[in-house]
Amino acid sequence: DAGITQSPRHKVTETGTPVTLRCHQTENHRYMYWYRQDPGHGLRLIHYSYGVKDTDKGEVSDGYSVSRSKTEDFLLTLESATSSQTSVYFCAIRGTGDEQYFGPGTRLTVT
Amino acid sequence: AQRVTQPEKLLSVFKGAPVELKCNYSYSGSPELFWYVQYSRQRLQLLLRHISRESIKGFTADLNKGETSFHLKKPFAQEEDSAMYYCALVGSGGYNKLIFGAGTRLAVHP
Repeated sequence: DAGITQSPRHKVTETGTPVTLRCHQTENHRYMYWYRQDPGHGLRLIHYSYGVKDTDKGEVSDGYSVSRSKTEDFLLTLESATSSQTSVYFCAIRGTGDEQYFGPGTRLTVT
Repeated sequence: AQRVTQPEKLLSVFKGAPVELKCNYSYSGSPELFWYVQYSRQRLQLLLRHISRESIKGFTADLNKGETSFHLKKPFAQEEDSAMYYCALVGSGGYNKLIFGAGTRLAVHP
């Protein structure tokens, strides 16, 4: 599992509340990614990081922010959750080549 | 535009039948492609990468640049192959960002 964990694994929250998802890795990988998985869309990149404090936007970044203050943790924040952000969120790291390895996912429901 | 297309949402076969999961891509230059598999409610797992030309769990995939395809094949499907399969392309612009297809659900019936 490439030493990747995500927390929480499940969360139900109300519209308008802030939510932070955590991705933790134990193998000192430089590149980390956040994707969301939705039926009919596959996985879409939200944000990515190429080092501590180095982050950038992906394809579907509106409504999301990220932070990476140390190598092992990559946080995804929904500043004010909306129902359209109900999804499964996956964190990933880049392996030794160009492949990526994924965390177990966080199932987020916004009511 | 860079894009990955998996035309089938669902592929339903019987055990022992051949399987072909289609993947077409749009990319200028030499693409780098992967197949990932996701079993029910689990994390995505890397199945194949085109550069290694390996066979994992009996699956193979060949890059056809002329047809811009990277179809996944297995000669004899097993029930445990039932899962969601995603084709992915490394996008241009650096940072190894992946572009995924919408996925194909493979259902293998006994």
